[in-house]
Amino acid sequence: KNEVEQSPQNLTAQEGEFITINCSYSVGISALHWLQQHPGGGIVSLFMLSSGKKKHGRLIATINIQEKHSSLHITASHPRDSAVYICAVRSTTGGGNKLTFGTGTQLKVEL
Amino acid sequence: EPEVTQTPSHQVTQMGQEVILRCVPISNHLYFYWYRQILGQKVEFLVSFYNNEISEKSEIFDDQFSVERPDGSNFTLKIRSTKLEDSAMYFCASQGRATGELFFGEGSRLTVL
Repeated sequence: KNEVEQSPQNLTAQEGEFITINCSYSVGISALHWLQQHPGGGIVSLFMLSSGKKKHGRLIATINIQEKHSSLHITASHPRDSAVYICAVRSTTGGGNKLTFGTGTQLKVEL
Repeated sequence: EPEVTQTPSHQVTQMGQEVILRCVPISNHLYFYWYRQILGQKVEFLVSFYNNEISEKSEIFDDQFSVERPDGSNFTLKIRSTKLEDSAMYFCASQGRATGELFFGEGSRLTVL
């Protein structure tokens, strides 16, 4: 079983829709990252969370530490939001700062 | 905005050849990482580097791999004798502190023929 599971794997939405991507993890963590991977392959950090909720523009990320679950929401989605969204966690076991990645959610927003 | 830069963006090499991938982390950062992503798969951790030494490495990071920070700015990943299965996108990342935000480079795509 993967330590980090994301759903859905693929998502197609119409412009303007509210989008939710989910991430569940099975280990104790000190932080959870939401990342965006562009079609060309580059990775951009969107959020780093250890509790609660963060908002940046149309993006909102929440985390529930007790339930080992995080969500990334996109409000008023736009075609330029089309990308792969990746959840990654920094585990508290084994020490170190490495991230363990989910398999990503491929999002396509259509006009 | 500060950024992590990686070179080359794409390298094609023959199996058995040595490859060096270069990264320039953000200047005041202290923690450096290499990750890789085989096409169609998830991103995997290779190695972390702090205080001029490896702090953690994965099972993937065997004797064929090495990292160094030769001049206090560049952070390099060397693959001594490339194999077909080393074909992947390699990402460098840096952090200012252990719990800080992570900044990724654009990646270096390595193709081994």
